[in-house]
Amino acid sequence: SAVISQKPSRDICQRGTSLTIQCQVDSQVTMMFWYRQQPGQSLTLIATANQGSEATYESGFVIDKFPISRPNLTFSTLTVSNMSPEDSSIYLCSVGAREGRETQYFGPGTRLLVL
Amino acid sequence: DAKTTQPPSMDCAEGRAANLPCNHSTISGNEYVYWYRQIHSQGPQYIIHGLKNNETNEMASLIITEDRKSSTLILPHATLRDTAVYYCIVRDFNDYKLSFGAGTTVTVRA
Repeated sequence: SAVISQKPSRDICQRGTSLTIQCQVDSQVTMMFWYRQQPGQSLTLIATANQGSEATYESGFVIDKFPISRPNLTFSTLTVSNMSPEDSSIYLCSVGAREGRETQYFGPGTRLLVL
Repeated sequence: DAKTTQPPSMDCAEGRAANLPCNHSTISGNEYVYWYRQIHSQGPQYIIHGLKNNETNEMASLIITEDRKSSTLILPHATLRDTAVYYCIVRDFNDYKLSFGAGTTVTVRA
């Protein structure tokens, strides 16, 4: 399995500001994903981070609000833009690893509180 | 729309086997059953997955019924550290997306 780290692990931000979350993997991976977990809820896929091209967003998520970068096969960033208290969530990155079939492994998450 | 149905919660005794059920009556032939768990304040942890045969690894066993409409995750000797939310997910082999439902909150008691 891949070792995934995220920075920051947690942050408290003011509304109207933006926060960039980093995801680093210890090996090259094809697929990287970003999820959101709102308080008391399950995980929801935000987008797939594609290396060398624009991210693919799920319904309800837009690039202006959640711009994503994927400069290489081991790194991605998610920015939460113009934050409001409703953006308070845990943001998780995951990577796809081929072990016979694609299995996703998750990072530890970034806990964001917007005041 | 949820593809799986799980009980919202269950308790089990430390040292005993924990049997977690999951219904997936609309599963199709190219869909796999995946299990993840999320211990409080951590990212989800992959446990096991299977297509139609029973599977076992160092963490758990997965029993899939012959008609594939339901499955059971077995933790053979539950410990307090197994307290977590367990997610049963049906995933198309050709689609990498994981759709998380509400899961089962498992509490292991001493």
